[in-house]
Amino acid sequence: DVKVTQSSRYLVKRTGEKVFLECVQDMDHENMFWYRQDPGLGLRLIYFSYDVKMKEKGDIPEGYSVSREKKERFSLILESASTNQTSMYLCASSFWAGSEREQYFGPGTRLTVT
Amino acid sequence: DAKTTQPTSMDCAEGRAANLPCNHSTISGNEYVYWYRQIHSQGPQYIIHGLKNNETNEMASLIITEDRKSSTLILPHATLRDTAVYYCIVRVASNDYKLSFGAGTTVTVRA
Repeated sequence: DVKVTQSSRYLVKRTGEKVFLECVQDMDHENMFWYRQDPGLGLRLIYFSYDVKMKEKGDIPEGYSVSREKKERFSLILESASTNQTSMYLCASSFWAGSEREQYFGPGTRLTVT
Repeated sequence: DAKTTQPTSMDCAEGRAANLPCNHSTISGNEYVYWYRQIHSQGPQYIIHGLKNNETNEMASLIITEDRKSSTLILPHATLRDTAVYYCIVRVASNDYKLSFGAGTTVTVRA
C-alpha cells in the first residue's frame, strides 16, 4: 500500500514563527503536492514538485516555500506564520508517467496559528 | 476539466449497496472519471478511476454510461466506516496537479 506520512497531526504555532511541515512517501513517486483545505473553499494547491529540487507554484503560494532535497520527502515552510494560515494541510504524491497518476494523500496536519 | 454534479447527501443502510451518482455531461474524450473520499478529519483517499469501461477494485465498482455523461460509484456492502464525503472528479490524466474537489456527496451509513 502507498503510504504518505506527515510529521504532525496537530500543530499550534504563534504568529511570526517559522513553521516546517514534513511529508514522506514510500512509493518512489516522482510528484509530490502540498494543499490546504478550508471549509467552503475546498482543496487548494500551494506548491508541487515533479522531481528532486524542482518546484512549481500552485494557486496560493504566497507566504509559503517548499523544499525537496530527496525524492521521498517534501517540506512545506511557512516563513512567518499568520493567523490566516490556520488550516488543514494535506500532502499528496503520485507517479509522473502513465495514464493513472492518482494522488495519494497523507492524514493531514491541522495547523492553528494564534 | 469538466464540471461534475453530485447530490449533496445520501443515507445508506449498513450491509446494503450504496450507489453514488455523478453527472459530467461536458466530459471530453480524453478525460477520466476519478473518485476520492474523505473521512472526517482525515486526508482524501483515492477510490477508483476509469475512462470508458466499467472498473472494479477491492473498494468499489465504477459504472460509466456509454455516452460517458454520467457515472455511478458502487460500494457493494457499505459499512459504518464508509461514512465520508465522496468526490467525483473529471480530469485529463496529464493535468497532474490542481486536483480540485467540489462539494461532493456526504454519505452516511446507518446501522
